Amino acid sequence: AQSVTQPDIHITVSEGASLELRCNYSYGATPYLFWYVQSPGQGLQLLLKYFSGDTLVQGIKGFEAEFKRSQSSFNLRKPSVHWSDAAEYFCAVGPADSNYQLIWGAGTKLIIKP
Amino acid sequence: ETGVTQTPRHLVMGMTNKKSLKCEQHLGHNAMYWYKQSAKKPLELMFVYNFKEQTENNSVPSRFSPECPNSSHLFLHLHTLQPEDSALYLCASSQDRDGVSYTDTQYFGPGTRLTVL
Repeated sequence: AQSVTQPDIHITVSEGASLELRCNYSYGATPYLFWYVQSPGQGLQLLLKYFSGDTLVQGIKGFEAEFKRSQSSFNLRKPSVHWSDAAEYFCAVGPADSNYQLIWGAGTKLIIKP
Repeated sequence: ETGVTQTPRHLVMGMTNKKSLKCEQHLGHNAMYWYKQSAKKPLELMFVYNFKEQTENNSVPSRFSPECPNSSHLFLHLHTLQPEDSALYLCASSQDRDGVSYTDTQYFGPGTRLTVL
């Protein structure tokens, strides 16, 4: 069955430090890939998405993600985090056998240390 | 109001109550969704509407009843819920260009935190 794994339930990073959030998927073909962010008390917001082409994708708020087919991964990165980045981050995969139902990871909560 | 709004933001109800959740999108979109978000679990898609027509009911129990009177409004009617239905219920909308597709960016509301006693 297709699945999305975010291995880290929560991650703590110092403000100004770099960040990498992991996402692995189980899927035969190259899927569509997404990262969403959910700030406290708010809905999810799309950070970036990958459909095809350049495997390094730039998103909003200074985030980027890299698709690595060999590792079935789509990790999210940011060179220097800000306190406002404290939120929960969700990776999602769009499979070929459904055109509207994303498969979601369980999320990674990012905690920023001052 | 901008974006996607949801009311109420918090709701506590007994198992015998009937209540409704409301979602309104101010983005001119034509597709709307209900999701259930439980702690430490992936988002669960419940219902999808496209141009007011329900295109998907993702094996959701009948105690959840959606209603989409127009492309801007979406309701979720609740009755005889169970404690395990306690969760954050998220509404989303998207501009569907050629059939509902996850390639169309979904815009989410802040959710309704539901507690069933």
